[in-house]
Amino acid sequence: AQTVTQSQPEMSVQEAETVTLSCTYDTSENNYYLFWYKQPPSRQMILVIRQEAYKQQNATENRFSVNFQKAAKSFSLKISDSQLGDTAMYFCAFMPSNDYKLSFGAGTTVTVRA
Amino acid sequence: KAGVTQTPRYLIKTRGQQVTLSCSPISGHRSVSWYQQTPGQGLQFLFEYFSETQRNKGNFPGRFSGRQFSNSRSEMNVSTLELGDSALYLCASSPDNYGYTFGSGTRLTVV
Repeated sequence: AQTVTQSQPEMSVQEAETVTLSCTYDTSENNYYLFWYKQPPSRQMILVIRQEAYKQQNATENRFSVNFQKAAKSFSLKISDSQLGDTAMYFCAFMPSNDYKLSFGAGTTVTVRA
Repeated sequence: KAGVTQTPRYLIKTRGQQVTLSCSPISGHRSVSWYQQTPGQGLQFLFEYFSETQRNKGNFPGRFSGRQFSNSRSEMNVSTLELGDSALYLCASSPDNYGYTFGSGTRLTVV
C-alpha cells in the first residue's frame, strides 16, 4: 500500500512571496505519477501539476513548480509570486502507473495574505 | 468543453435509505473514478471504471456500488445509509488514467 504524507497542516504567505509545500510518499513501485491538486472553498479539485517518476526534469506550470527527489521519495510544490486566488487546500497525490487509484495526503491549507 | 458534471450538488437522506449519485465525465474520457472526502478520513478511493468495467475498488463495504454506462456516464449507489456516510463524494474522469479532472462533488448529509 502507498502512503502519502503532508507534514504541514497549514501555511500562510504574503501576497507576491513564495511558499513551498512538502510531500513525501512511501512505495515499492518504480513507475508512478505524482500530482498536486488544489481545492478552493468552492470544493472543486483542480489539477495544479503532475510529474512522471521516470522523468528526472522537474515539472513546471507557470508559477507552480515541483522539486521531485525520487530516491528520497519527496515531491514538494513551490508557489511563486503568490496570489490571493491561490488560497486553498493543496493535496499531494500518488498513482502507480499500472493502477487507477489516487492516494492522497491529508492536505495543506494555504492562506495568502494581502 | 464541459467539465465533469455531478448531480445533485446537495442531498439530504435519512438513515437506512439508499442514494444514487450521478457523474457525467468530460466528453471522450473513458475512465471514471469516485472518491469520498470527509474531515476525519480525508480523500479515499471508492472505485474506478473504464469502458463499463470496474478495474479497481477501494476498501469500502458492499453497500457502496457503482456502474458505468456505454456513454461513460457513471453512477454510484449507497444502500442502507449510515450517519458515517455523510461526506463529499467526488467524481473524476480521465482520457488516459494520467491526470484526473474532478467534478464539484455531491455533498451528502445523512440524518
